[in-house]
Amino acid sequence: ETGVTQTPRHLVMGMTNKKSLKCEQHLGHNAMYWYKQSAKKPLELMFVYNFKEQTENNSVPSRFSPECPNSSHLFLHLHTLQPEDSALYLCASSQDRNPYEQYFGPGTRLTVT
Amino acid sequence: GENVEQHPSTLSVQEGDSAVIKCTYSDSASNYFPWYKQELGKRPQLIIDIRSNVGEKKDQRIAVTLNKTAKHFSLHITETQPEDSAVYFCAVNTGGGNKLTFGTGTQLKVEL
Repeated sequence: ETGVTQTPRHLVMGMTNKKSLKCEQHLGHNAMYWYKQSAKKPLELMFVYNFKEQTENNSVPSRFSPECPNSSHLFLHLHTLQPEDSALYLCASSQDRNPYEQYFGPGTRLTVT
Repeated sequence: GENVEQHPSTLSVQEGDSAVIKCTYSDSASNYFPWYKQELGKRPQLIIDIRSNVGEKKDQRIAVTLNKTAKHFSLHITETQPEDSAVYFCAVNTGGGNKLTFGTGTQLKVEL
């Protein structure tokens, strides 16, 4: 599959579970991003990685832990989440220079019970 | 931090009419302004973008205009079609880097 892929597409987890979201980009980009999209809210940037280094943490709670082992892969490790964390989690990638055309993955629909 | 305001939040037009969505921003260092279209249940898709060194860019029925002095930019869709129905988001790169701040979105409905 080309572009940006995400797995799983849907995830239901309890508040005591630990799970991970995976993102992979096949575009040769060197910047990757995690966004949270809740109903009736704008896209909220969570993390930015440039060349595998985290350059932005937008005041995200520590129960969300990102990992970027290389420029093509990005993970979001989840533990002890709250019901209000239920949302669509989108991954994106881009080059690190203008124009910063970000291409999004299909997202993971997360439900915390 | 960057403040991006988007208006209107909903927009209903008749097929064939034009639609205009406006965004304002606060960070004078911003120099990249993309627009995304998100259909129901799908990922946001980049439809057009503009950099601060130009005032207008057009791609078929879609155009974006930028007024850097006034810190606002607009999306123009002409000859709207039912498949244009979606949520449209503007975005601005905060601080001139690759961190995007998104507007709150505009639900566009094109009626037959």
